[in-house]
Amino acid sequence: DTEVTQTPKHLVMGMTNKKSLKCEQHMGHRAMYWYKQKAKKPPELMFVYSYEKLSINESVPSRFSPECPNSSLLNLHLHALQPEDSALYLCASSQADGLISGNTIYFGEGSWLTVV
Amino acid sequence: SQKIEQNSEALNIQEGKTATLTCNYTNYSPAYLQWYRQDPGRGPVFLLLIRENEKEKRKERLKVTFDTTLKQSLFHITASQPADSATYLCALPGSGNTGKLIFGQGTTLQVKP
Repeated sequence: DTEVTQTPKHLVMGMTNKKSLKCEQHMGHRAMYWYKQKAKKPPELMFVYSYEKLSINESVPSRFSPECPNSSLLNLHLHALQPEDSALYLCASSQADGLISGNTIYFGEGSWLTVV
Repeated sequence: SQKIEQNSEALNIQEGKTATLTCNYTNYSPAYLQWYRQDPGRGPVFLLLIRENEKEKRKERLKVTFDTTLKQSLFHITASQPADSATYLCALPGSGNTGKLIFGQGTTLQVKP
């Protein structure tokens, strides 16, 4: 079982709605990530937080707004999304320098988002 | 720019045979390469990491090789089982020590009983 917990597992929202995806880990990891995955495509990096500070934003549209309230939590706030934003959103975590030194990145099960 | 290529066609093999998946990359020299397994509707699960100074790594029925001259990694599953059926993703760190992990397209393996 994954040690990264994501909620909700499924979310259907209208284009005018505001919703949030939540992610939690208790492994003491200080790097947390949001990835987006479309069907039959690889995960694509959206955001990276290191020590609760945003370190990478892969030119993600502002309708996606990440937040890291503390070292265990990561949120993704959604507003005015488009149908093409429908995808599996994956949260992940690792040691703070994990991807530089080659440590494991742990993924959650993902949140399936459908925008109608 | 960096490019990672995995065979996008599904690999179908008979139970008990060895499955071999390929990951090729171009335009940089990663310090390591990772392999993940992803089942439908679930997040990727880490399997193995191999560093640039390692030729081969093993874990139970899994074996990974890393040829930095050919810019290629091979992922082998010996004595394959139907439960090994999944999509396998290779992943490499982005260039410049940015903390990014970039995934290949993945290869879907189907092991038939």
